[in-house]
Amino acid sequence: GNSVTQMEGPVTLSEEAFLTINCTYTATGYPSLFWYVQYPGEGLQLLLKATKADDKGSNKGFEATYRKETTSFHLEKGSVQVSDSAVYFCALSEKGGGSNYKLTFGKGTLLTVNP
Amino acid sequence: SAVISQKPSRDICQRGTSLTIQCQVDSQVTMMFWYRQQPGQSLTLIATANQGSEATYESGFVIDKFPISRPNLTFSTLTVSNMSPEDSSIYLCSGGHLNTEAFFGQGTRLTVV
Repeated sequence: GNSVTQMEGPVTLSEEAFLTINCTYTATGYPSLFWYVQYPGEGLQLLLKATKADDKGSNKGFEATYRKETTSFHLEKGSVQVSDSAVYFCALSEKGGGSNYKLTFGKGTLLTVNP
Repeated sequence: SAVISQKPSRDICQRGTSLTIQCQVDSQVTMMFWYRQQPGQSLTLIATANQGSEATYESGFVIDKFPISRPNLTFSTLTVSNMSPEDSSIYLCSGGHLNTEAFFGQGTRLTVV
């Protein structure tokens, strides 16, 4: 079956530091890949996505590249801010029909950014 | 996009009782799902809520324990039946269309004592 493995947290950084959260996946087909973010007290929000190999998703300074050869989708940001403190989830969904949104999630990584 | 509202946002329940969680979407969506997030764990899909028919459950989840309704394209309920402390989790509703991403509610934090 499908699975997602992401870097264990928590991760604590100083403001303006570089962020990487690793994510690797196992899937039978060619899934779409996502990063979701959950800010304190809020629901999950889509941060970025990539639907095929070599696609790069980007949003709010965050980037992730769909690497089929390494089955990875690592999240990066060059300079984090205090407001980036949240839990980040890597996820995949298989394409096709009603399974588009049956997401398989990683365990989440708590990021805390200190001023 | 779609805005998803869940009620209640949190509850503390006695073991052996049942709780029904409501999910309301501000627009018609094709797909609706229910997830569970146990403490320190990832989100796990419970079932796909199908309009006007029985929900499709994932392995390890059964209708008797988690009955789901979806009477129309904007509303669904999940009931957690005969609760035990192991059911203490965050339950999330999700919805979307076939060619867009999924949107999530804020979740219902359930504690069973």
